[in-house]
Amino acid sequence: AQKVTQAQTEISVVEKEDVTLDCVYETRDTTYYLFWYKQPPSGELVFLIRRNSFDEQNEISGRYSWNFQKSTSSFNFTITASQVVDSAVYFCALSGTNAGKSTFGDGTTLTVKP
Amino acid sequence: NAGVMQNPRHLVRRRGQEARLRCSPMKGHSHVYWYRQLPEEGLKFMVYLQKENIIDESGMPKERFSAEFPKEGPSILRIQQVVRGDSAAYFCASSEDRVPNSPLHFGNGTRLTVT
Repeated sequence: AQKVTQAQTEISVVEKEDVTLDCVYETRDTTYYLFWYKQPPSGELVFLIRRNSFDEQNEISGRYSWNFQKSTSSFNFTITASQVVDSAVYFCALSGTNAGKSTFGDGTTLTVKP
Repeated sequence: NAGVMQNPRHLVRRRGQEARLRCSPMKGHSHVYWYRQLPEEGLKFMVYLQKENIIDESGMPKERFSAEFPKEGPSILRIQQVVRGDSAAYFCASSEDRVPNSPLHFGNGTRLTVT
């Protein structure tokens, strides 16, 4: 069975602070995929990143960066110089060979105050 | 280039009524997935369909819930005799046919409220 744990239920930071959202996963699959999604207050789900289990390279996209470590089964997400518009619920998700059947964490609510 | 379209955006039903949620996948996508998000929780997989076939319904409640994806028209998630516990956001997603692990493209969801 697959499991995704986002231990931080809520995080509050002040604008321009850096913030890291934690994600720990469990799976018996040797091939798997990890995702991060953003759900702003308007409610839609926005895809942010996908990472497969064979690629442990960290990735940076603007103010966003992701740190994938198989040794600790973690896929953490860092926002640098946070902005108010980053306020949202962020979900980490895990899938096997069918990305459609993903297991989601319960989400981390990020509030960025001006 | 329209994304995944779900309607209605909001749906209110009284206990015992039926709820029908519609999802039109992105153009060229024939794989559809339904997820449910209960308040304060993450998304939970319900069912995976391809045209005219249910591939995986391991997340569907055994009673009152059904899903279809006909040859023509949108995918439908049907909830019969709704109860208050069915109140949730229901998300539909679609994926490309030939890429087994492409990201999901989600619709904006249908918020079902059962009164």
